[in-house]
Amino acid sequence: DAGVTQSPTHLIKTRGQQVTLRCSPKSGHDTVSWYQQALGQGPQFIFQYYEEEERQRGNFPDRFSGHQFPNYSSELNVNALLLGDSALYLCASSFRDRGNSPLHFGNGTRLTVT
Amino acid sequence: QKEVEQNSGPLSVPEGAIASLNCTYSDRGSQSFFWYRQYSGKSPELIMFIYSNGDKEDGRFTAQLNKASQYVSLLIRDSQPSDSATYLCAVEGSARQLTFGSGTQLTVLP
Repeated sequence: DAGVTQSPTHLIKTRGQQVTLRCSPKSGHDTVSWYQQALGQGPQFIFQYYEEEERQRGNFPDRFSGHQFPNYSSELNVNALLLGDSALYLCASSFRDRGNSPLHFGNGTRLTVT
Repeated sequence: QKEVEQNSGPLSVPEGAIASLNCTYSDRGSQSFFWYRQYSGKSPELIMFIYSNGDKEDGRFTAQLNKASQYVSLLIRDSQPSDSATYLCAVEGSARQLTFGSGTQLTVLP
């Protein structure tokens, strides 16, 4: 039973560029959430996707956007990259309508913006 | 005011001792609380979750919740060097999103 998988593992981009990160949820999960974790900080909630729609959003600018596909996989897109976007990006999946279904995190994508 | 607060540490305990990690939260309506362990360079790994006031035990780990005091703690008994990591406290919101503290770095000394 595959857990949450993310790709790529590492990525280096230049300021102003755009990046796309990918996530496949744990088998049976239908909800995908994205988090940003800066060095020395806890993860911060970016947004959550369910039924191919953004359902909840944290305090992130519109440069951060996402998508969920019919197979529940998801993408996170960041436009006009800033140095401050350098972080570990974590995808987490869960089953929306099942109570007591904790989030399961993928291994993350380490993004470095130079 | 931060929504979830943890002592950043570092917290050092000798091998075999009890490590006590604490967390406070600001939203009195919060219902679900989680502890994650994160090794350096890795993603968070769920250790325990707790929904009801009182204690919940799982092996060497005990989570304690006091909603009146808005306080959650994690006790690690018989601490091992392999327990050395950053421990993240998280509180679940209405849409099941998690708000994390900044983590407490624990070092267990052999």
